[in-house]
Amino acid sequence: GAGVSQTPSNKVTEKGKYVELRCDPISGHTALYWYRQSLGQGPEFLIYFQGTGAADDSGLPNDRFFAVRPEGSVSTLKIQRTERGDSAVYLCASSELTGMNTGELFFGEGSRLTVL
Amino acid sequence: GQSLEQPSEVTAVEGAIVQINCTYQTSGFNGLFWYQQHAGEAPTFLSYNVLDGLEEKGRFSSFLSRSKGYSYLLLKELQMKDSASYFCAVRATGGSYIPTFGRGTSLIVHP
Repeated sequence: GAGVSQTPSNKVTEKGKYVELRCDPISGHTALYWYRQSLGQGPEFLIYFQGTGAADDSGLPNDRFFAVRPEGSVSTLKIQRTERGDSAVYLCASSELTGMNTGELFFGEGSRLTVL
Repeated sequence: GQSLEQPSEVTAVEGAIVQINCTYQTSGFNGLFWYQQHAGEAPTFLSYNVLDGLEEKGRFSSFLSRSKGYSYLLLKELQMKDSASYFCAVRATGGSYIPTFGRGTSLIVHP
């Protein structure tokens, strides 16, 4: 596709429920990032994939959060037993790092999660 | 780890020039980005600096001093549509290429 696509754009759920957020990166981008952004804050790093593997998951806040990228393209962020504090906009970004470019991140519009 | 500091808010008048500062600390430096984000939209890339000096791109310029851990974004001929949040982000060495973002500066442009 032309850009990074995220679904759903909005998700309202109840405390304790399970949610999945999907990211479809720019075709050919091998690097994929998940960030979380709360109101008035900058994006906070969660997890980074290079290809199919999670190269760095140090930003995941706890074991209720998990992400996969089984075929090196689409990624799913999974949140178990959601809590009200999980409410935020979850941003996905992709990039293509080579020696010839800056490797800037291209962001999707985000998935706004509200936990009631 | 990395830490970044930006002013929370800057106001300016349409047609003016405004500078948004960013100071950072990092254990290893591998580039600094500036992103713009309008309310409810995705952050979009503005500029990238990895060497000291000024990078100019139309009405937007970005400056970097690695020895001082300092960068600024300069916006000229301000327009109302420039009202947005601006984030600096530092990429560290170490192979993961993960940018760490500041808390952002809200720019308000008045007529």
